[in-house]
Amino acid sequence: DAGVIQSPRHEVTEMGQEVTLRCKPISGHNSLFWYRQTMMRGLELLIYFNNNVPIDDSGMPEDRFSAKMPNASFSTLKIQPSEPRDSAVYFCASSFLGGGAEKLFFGSGTQLSVL
Amino acid sequence: DAKTTQPTSMDCAEGRAANLPCNHSTISGNEYVYWYRQIHSQGPQYIIHGLKNNETNEMASLIITEDRKSSTLILPHATLRDTAVYYCIVRASNTGKLIFGQGTTLQVKP
Repeated sequence: DAGVIQSPRHEVTEMGQEVTLRCKPISGHNSLFWYRQTMMRGLELLIYFNNNVPIDDSGMPEDRFSAKMPNASFSTLKIQPSEPRDSAVYFCASSFLGGGAEKLFFGSGTQLSVL
Repeated sequence: DAKTTQPTSMDCAEGRAANLPCNHSTISGNEYVYWYRQIHSQGPQYIIHGLKNNETNEMASLIITEDRKSSTLILPHATLRDTAVYYCIVRASNTGKLIFGQGTTLQVKP
């Protein structure tokens, strides 16, 4: 298995532009997580899905952020409009949730810079 | 989820055992202890987890005290590649959410 695949690896954009981050989870996993990491705030959970349904989006900073999971093999995190304070590394992770403890597998992240 | 407390940083000599402590005094009976690590610029990587008993795998050993209020991650023979931030997390098995704290920065020195 190729693991969790995120794209793009790096994104540089100007303030006000729309940004779309993409994630392909590991095949067979039923849960998907979006995290954001900055030096100041560390790793923050933004939202997670179970069976393609958003379960907890309490970490989504504001209405400019939205996430979708149209099917079990694809998810997007969109920022519109983007702001310089959104600059961070965004990680996607997936797992199989059910029947006991499970472990998350993380992608390599998207480094976002908003100028 | 129970809160965890870890030292901010630790050093370890290459080839020696690295012992990383974690306090989780408010852990509930159904909460597991997980350890992840993050090597610079990479995504976090699962290491090990446990509920009550000590656990060992190819990466590390996890020692959980009998009262489950603390645990220790042991890297038996640390190498320079083990330099990373190590996160201790407690979580109930059916909640899905994994909340990361600040972790312990382990520096393995030659």
